[in-house]
Amino acid sequence: GIQVEQSPPDLILQEGANSTLRCNFSDSVNNLQWFHQNPWGQLINLFYIPSGTKQNGRLSATTVATERYSLLYISSSQTTDSGVYFCAVERGTDSWGKLQFGAGTQVVVTP
Amino acid sequence: DADVTQTPRNRITKTGKRIMLECSQTKGHDRMYWYRQDPGLGLRLIYYSFDVKDINKGEISDGYSVSRQAQAKFSLSLESAIPNQTALYFCATWNYGYTFGSGTRLTVV
Repeated sequence: GIQVEQSPPDLILQEGANSTLRCNFSDSVNNLQWFHQNPWGQLINLFYIPSGTKQNGRLSATTVATERYSLLYISSSQTTDSGVYFCAVERGTDSWGKLQFGAGTQVVVTP
Repeated sequence: DADVTQTPRNRITKTGKRIMLECSQTKGHDRMYWYRQDPGLGLRLIYYSFDVKDINKGEISDGYSVSRQAQAKFSLSLESAIPNQTALYFCATWNYGYTFGSGTRLTVV
């Protein structure tokens, strides 16, 4: 199956700092999504981004499908940004709607 | 009310017991999914359903069964729970983007 690799595995940021999280995937995909899992376990859908660039407040994401990677940018980080960020992909008509998750990037934002 | 509601939120059960996790949604989506998350790992797909009559196994379906009682309801059962089924379980709906429930934290002792 498709491999999804996220880097770095862990990230510690001071409040106000910027950061970039990366997701590499091993094959072409129909869909890519970024999720944030907060410290209470809740999963929040951040971006549905099979290609191109999207922005939502301090977060933005870029997917370069031809080169099989996606980037999530966090600007002016806040303590509420702490948690685990997951990249998940879906590929092929036989995998329609079935996500393959990466292992996640654990982000800790300190005051 | 949440778009996707899971019950219970937390459950401790004994090895060998049967347990059902329930999921209901108000989004009107046909597609529903059950995932499990183990510490330090991403989510893995257990079962998915494209409509009431279409249920499919995911990558880790052994030891689990599901029931799609209606478009809005999708239940996951552990017929005989074992300790390595201790995990965080998520239900989700899909319509060109996922909506997850708040999760059920299951502990099998």
